[in-house]
Amino acid sequence: GNSVTQMEGPVTLSEEAFLTINCTYTATGYPSLFWYVQYPGEGLQLLLKATKADDKGSNKGFEATYRKETTSFHLEKGSVQVSDSAVYFCALRIASYGKLTFGQGTILTVHP
Amino acid sequence: DAGITQSPRYKITETGRQVTLMCHQTWSHSYMFWYRQDLGHGLRLIYYSAAADITDKGEVPDGYVVSRSKTENFPLTLESATRSQTSVYFCASSEAQKDRGAEAFFGQGTRLTVV
Repeated sequence: GNSVTQMEGPVTLSEEAFLTINCTYTATGYPSLFWYVQYPGEGLQLLLKATKADDKGSNKGFEATYRKETTSFHLEKGSVQVSDSAVYFCALRIASYGKLTFGQGTILTVHP
Repeated sequence: DAGITQSPRYKITETGRQVTLMCHQTWSHSYMFWYRQDLGHGLRLIYYSAAADITDKGEVPDGYVVSRSKTENFPLTLESATRSQTSVYFCASSEAQKDRGAEAFFGQGTRLTVV
């Protein structure tokens, strides 16, 4: 079956610190990979995506590279801000289906 | 208003009652989904639909019923609510799979409490 595993949270950082949130996956087939973000009280929003091996997705200073050899899609940001405090979800989708499979989410809190 | 809307935003119901959560999207997206969000489990797929009158079970379908008579609506019904169904429910929609990276758009969620 398909599954996504994210690093345990919560993650607490000071402003301007470097962020890494690990994500690994197992999939039957060739997945597309996504990072979604959920701000307090809101639904999920797409943060970035990658659809094939070695693709790098990027948005708002966040980056993630699709690594097929390690089945990983780790999220990174060089300098976090207080406004980045949110829950981050890694997800995959197999091309022939519409449904997303999510990881358990990682809570990020950034302090001034 | 354009987008995907869920109603109600908050609901408290009693064990054994039937409750329906509504989801409406204005894009005419083919795919629609219902997820539940629980601490430690992330989002788990309850049901999904590839088009009007086509629905299929997800990971955790027991105790839920869906229908999709119109492309834009995808209601989720709890036939006899149980406390284990206390959760935050999210509806989502996306285009048909022409694009491997097609984005799923989420509603703001319905917080359901079963007492």
